[in-house]
Amino acid sequence: GAVVSQHPSWVICKSGTSVKIECRSLDFQATTMFWYRQFPKQSLMLMATSNEGSKATYEQGVEKDKFLINHASLTLSTLTVTSAHPEDSSFYICSARDRGGQGGTQYFGPGTRLLVL
Amino acid sequence: KQEVTQIPAALSVPEGENLVLNCSFTDSAIYNLQWFRQDPGKGLTSLLLIQSSQREQTSGRLNASLDKSSGRSTLYIAASQPGDSATYLCAVTVGRRALTFGSGTRLQVQP
Repeated sequence: GAVVSQHPSWVICKSGTSVKIECRSLDFQATTMFWYRQFPKQSLMLMATSNEGSKATYEQGVEKDKFLINHASLTLSTLTVTSAHPEDSSFYICSARDRGGQGGTQYFGPGTRLLVL
Repeated sequence: KQEVTQIPAALSVPEGENLVLNCSFTDSAIYNLQWFRQDPGKGLTSLLLIQSSQREQTSGRLNASLDKSSGRSTLYIAASQPGDSATYLCAVTVGRRALTFGSGTRLQVQP
């Protein structure tokens, strides 16, 4: 089956630093990837839609200058949390839609847990 | 705007019971509906995907139904086991957009 990886799986950083999270589709091409955020005991909330070769589309309330998204290839999207603060601590999950698949199925990565001290 | 609601928010049952988790959505023009499992601190495991033209899907002890016109789906778990303990998330897709998730049902199966 289709596999999506995320790296790193967890990261601890100091307040004010930037953190980059990678999302890769390992065995399929993904023109579209999605980034979600999940706070403890809450559901997943969409942050942005990442389209290969174009600018990401951000959901209302998500700062595009704080959460930089780059989707430079059909298998890689990156999310950079710039000048991270403790309130950015969360579980970040990406998903990728198989360009050649049926039904627009999305495959999810295992998530990245970010803790900002 | 699509909203997804899951009931109950939490459920505790003894091992061996059959149980039903409910999901409702406000916009019936969905592309598909998925049920996921999430263990604490972990990512998502896709359980079942139902296309909008389908009425149900089955996988092992799991059966998911979809009534698009009424905006409802149910996940039926037969003969529950302690290993089924997790949070179950329902999510829908409209068009080719991202998934909209419900808030989940936290299931605890007591041995």
